[in-house]
Formats: sequence, C-alpha cells, structure tokens
Amino acid sequence: KNQVEQSPQSLIILEGKNCTLQCNYTVSPFSNLRWYKQDTGRGPVSLTIMTFSENTKSNGRYTATLDADTKQSSLHITASQLSDSASYICVVCCANTGTASKLTFGTGTRLQVTL
Amino acid sequence: DVKVTQSSRYLVKRTGEKVFLECVQDMDHENMFWYRQDPGLGLRLIYFSYDVKMKEKGDIPEGYSVSREKKERFSLILESASTNQTSMYLCASSFGGRSYNEQFFGPGTRLTVL
Repeated sequence: KNQVEQSPQSLIILEGKNCTLQCNYTVSPFSNLRWYKQDTGRGPVSLTIMTFSENTKSNGRYTATLDADTKQSSLHITASQLSDSASYICVVCCANTGTASKLTFGTGTRLQVTL
Repeated sequence: DVKVTQSSRYLVKRTGEKVFLECVQDMDHENMFWYRQDPGLGLRLIYFSYDVKMKEKGDIPEGYSVSREKKERFSLILESASTNQTSMYLCASSFGGRSYNEQFFGPGTRLTVL
C-alpha cells in the first residue's frame, strides 16, 4: 500500500531558529516528491518538487533533500519567521497511469513559530 | 498569476440536502481534482477529470458525483449530504500528460452538514 509518513506531527520553535521536517514514503513506482505549505484555512502551495535524480532543492529559506534509496525526504527551514507557521505536507507521485497521476499525501507537520 | 477559485469559503447545509461545490481555474489546465481534507488523514482524492466530460473515481467517491461541462469548471455534487461529509474540500488543477505536473490548489470550502 502506498503510504507517506511525516514526523513530527507538530513542532513549536522560536523565531530565528532552524528546523527540519521528515518524510518517509513507500510509494511505488516513484516519480517525484513535493513539499507543500498550507496556511490555516487555505489551500496548499507548492514549495519544491524533486524527481528521482535530484538530491536537493532550495526555495529561499526552504531546502528539501531526497534520498530515493532509503525513500526519505526532509525539509529544512532556515532562520524561521512567524509567517512560516503553517502545515507542511509531503506528497509523493507515482508514474503516470495514462490519465492523471494520483498523488499520495502525508498528514503533514504542523509548525508554529513563536516570539 | 495562477488561479483556482472555489465558489464558497464556508458552507452550512442540512442532512439530506443536495450540495454543489464549484471550482474554476484560469490556467487552461486539462486535469482537475476534488479532495477532502480531514484532521489526521491528509488529503484524499474523491474524483478527478482529465478532460471535458471525462471523469475517474478517486479513493473515496462514495456519496459524491462530479460534472465537467467546460474545461475551466469542475463541480462536486453531494446528492444527499450526510454529517460524515463535514470536511474541508479542496479543488486542484494541473496540466495533463507528464507525471510531474504541479497541482495548483484553490482556497478550500469548509462544509458543515448539520
């Protein structure tokens, strides 16, 4: 069964600190992995997309890594800001089956950045 | 700028009512999706459409139907709403074809069924 597991479930950090969120997956076949940020009451917004051959990808203060051998990914947030408070969702895609690709979603990590 | 809009941010309906959720995208995307999001469960795919008048069931289609008469519009229909359909509903769209096309999400509709 295709699954995506994220840890921790929730996290509280002080503004300015760094943090790392984890994602383990068992999706097969694997095509790509995405990290989304979802603000409360909003739809998810893509942060990074990585394919099989990519090990790391950055988007400003967000850096995602991917180890396709161990089926693990991480999202590192540098110098956190209050606006980083959100849920971060790891999403894994299998190969196109001929129609639209179906994604497997993690349940997300709820990050709260405080003063 | 990419835009997916949903007809309502909040909706309250009674058990047994017929409910329509509308989604419109302005990016000329072939694919459109309906998800529901519940605490601790993540997003689950209800239905998707890869072309006008084409649809496929997702993981949890029971109790729902969809309609796509125009490329830019995808509707989710709850024929007879039930309390277990209280949830956040998210619409998304993407280009067709290659597997790694990003899905763009709307702001969501929080539906409460009393």
